[in-house]
Amino acid sequence: EAGVAQSPRYKIIEKRQSVAFWCNPISGHATLYWYQQILGQGPKLLIQFQNNGVVDDSQLPKDRFSAERLKGVDSTLKIQPAKLEDSAVYLCASSLPQYFGPGTRLTVL
Amino acid sequence: AQRVTQPEKLLSVFKGAPVELKCNYSYSGSPELFWYVQYSRQRLQLLLRHISRESIKGFTADLNKGETSFHLKKPFAQEEDSAMYYCALGALTGKLIFGQGTTLQVKP
Repeated sequence: EAGVAQSPRYKIIEKRQSVAFWCNPISGHATLYWYQQILGQGPKLLIQFQNNGVVDDSQLPKDRFSAERLKGVDSTLKIQPAKLEDSAVYLCASSLPQYFGPGTRLTVL
Repeated sequence: AQRVTQPEKLLSVFKGAPVELKCNYSYSGSPELFWYVQYSRQRLQLLLRHISRESIKGFTADLNKGETSFHLKKPFAQEEDSAMYYCALGALTGKLIFGQGTTLQVKP
């Protein structure tokens, strides 16, 4: 079966710019997760969706981060405006524990 | 508080030597624990989970509730085992709480 897809794979922006990431989970998977992995640390949950509803967004910095999952399938994660400390790999996963995407590596200059 | 601790950032062993990657957790309920592995330039993938009680690629891990540990072991390390290993705790909602990871380096 096809795995979790993410795009872009790499993104370099300057601070205060906006950026968006896209995730396509495995077909039929109701639960979708976005994790942030800062260099040298383990992944940390940002937001969890069940279909198109939010289950947990307690760790999402809502002043600058937003996420949506329209129609309960694809999801986008947006950062506006970006800060230097947002440099990280952003991982999407569907219906854990098995399935992670390849991640998007964000560099904020 | 829910927390996972991996005390070693780097573990370096010679090929054929035993390996033990340490993981301790803090969780008030009945824990569900996992080991994930990330090989160079590959995505994060599940290695094993405690409820399966199986051996994957020669690795095993036993949940010790008394010591709140879930150490990953392999009797004879291979060069292809070199990777980043993460211990993770599964919360009731399904989310994972990860440790900081341990880099395993197996030298020839």
